[in-house]
Amino acid sequence: EAGVAQSPRYKIIEKRQSVAFWCNPISGHATLYWYQQILGQGPKLLIQFQNNGVVDDSQLPKDRFSAERLKGVDSTLKIQPAKLEDSAVYLCASSPGQGGYNEQFFGPGTRLTVL
Amino acid sequence: AQSVTQLGSHVSVSEGALVLLRCNYSSSVPPYLFWYVQYPNQGLQLLLKYTSAATLVKGINGFEAEFKKSETSFHLTKPSAHMSDAAEYFCAVSDPAAGNKLTFGGGTRVLVKP
Repeated sequence: EAGVAQSPRYKIIEKRQSVAFWCNPISGHATLYWYQQILGQGPKLLIQFQNNGVVDDSQLPKDRFSAERLKGVDSTLKIQPAKLEDSAVYLCASSPGQGGYNEQFFGPGTRLTVL
Repeated sequence: AQSVTQLGSHVSVSEGALVLLRCNYSSSVPPYLFWYVQYPNQGLQLLLKYTSAATLVKGINGFEAEFKKSETSFHLTKPSAHMSDAAEYFCAVSDPAAGNKLTFGGGTRVLVKP
């Protein structure tokens, strides 16, 4: 079974530029998550999708971050414009359902450096 | 709001020695609890989870954790450390009263000395 795929793996941009990350979850997983992991910290949930609907985006900085999940499969996360403090690893995860007992399966992440 | 505290951001153990990683959570209702491991430049991988069955949970790679409601703790142990256990470990809690959102602790980096 293929795991969660993410691209690119690394991205370096200058502040005020825009960037987009892509995620392909495990086939059949209805729930998709985007996390931000700043160096030395645990992952922080940015947004959760159930199929193609948003379940929780309370911690997404909506003035600069946006995310979509078209057709309930792949998802993209965009930052526009980027700030220095956005330097982090962006992790995508998927799970079979929303239940709290469900394991989340994580992709390898995209490491973003904002100069 | 839910919070997870991992005591010690770095732990150094000798190969063959006991590994003990501490995790305490705040929750007004019994949560679901998880331990994940992260190897360099990789995503997180589930080690084990507690979902209100047995309080002693066994996971992969010889790890286990015990849920203690009275102490609001879910400490992770492994009797004998191996060099391959060098990684970062994250405790996480999913609170049914908070929409099942997963909240992570700050992580503990384990160094294994030969």
